[in-house]
Amino acid sequence: EAQVTQNPRYLITVTGKKLTVTCSQNMNHEYMSWYRQDPGLGLRQIYYSMNVEVTDKGDVPEGYKVSRKEKRNFPLILESPSPNQTSLYFCASSLSPGALASGRARTGELFFGEGSRLTVL
Amino acid sequence: KNQVEQSPQSLIILEGKNCTLQCNYTVSPFSNLRWYKQDTGRGPVSLTIMTFSENTKSNGRYTATLDADTKQSSLHITASQLSDSASYICVVSVLNAGNMLTFGGGTRLMVKP
Repeated sequence: EAQVTQNPRYLITVTGKKLTVTCSQNMNHEYMSWYRQDPGLGLRQIYYSMNVEVTDKGDVPEGYKVSRKEKRNFPLILESPSPNQTSLYFCASSLSPGALASGRARTGELFFGEGSRLTVL
Repeated sequence: KNQVEQSPQSLIILEGKNCTLQCNYTVSPFSNLRWYKQDTGRGPVSLTIMTFSENTKSNGRYTATLDADTKQSSLHITASQLSDSASYICVVSVLNAGNMLTFGGGTRLMVKP
């Protein structure tokens, strides 16, 4: 089954304790992205990756790091989490940046994971 | 600045009724517009994608329209069901940009029996 898998789904941690949220897709997609969703603010992009070893900042990258060493994995790293990073996080993937931009049916789809709810105390 | 505005923010309707959600955008240059359904605590799921040349697209009881001239889109839900209770998110894509998707804030729909 084609899917985007995030782990953990739920996490409560304390300020300053490094954590990693993993994201894996099994569709051989080039494009992957991380978003956070907060009440009243909608989905905001944190980082995105056009392909292996190619990453770039989104709208709210402060306090986050990413890496794309393999095509299927795109982990989100919080080196020193703070309470303002308490949020619902989503990973997403698409076949390629070009397909995503074209908006063609099926190939242009953006698939989301089920989300990771993170609480930083 | 690229923006996507959705209205209303929330809506309550009775089961079986129709409803229409609105999306206005100022994104340029426009590439395509998507509607997603997001159940509470779950990831968004795609309903429709429309490019510049398409002005209507259906997916079962969901029909999306696009007017690229006025930069408006609507999502019409026919004969609503309890399972339609969710947030509906409008997403507009820009041409030739890495950070290419602009998300609306969503409309939260509640369908009551």
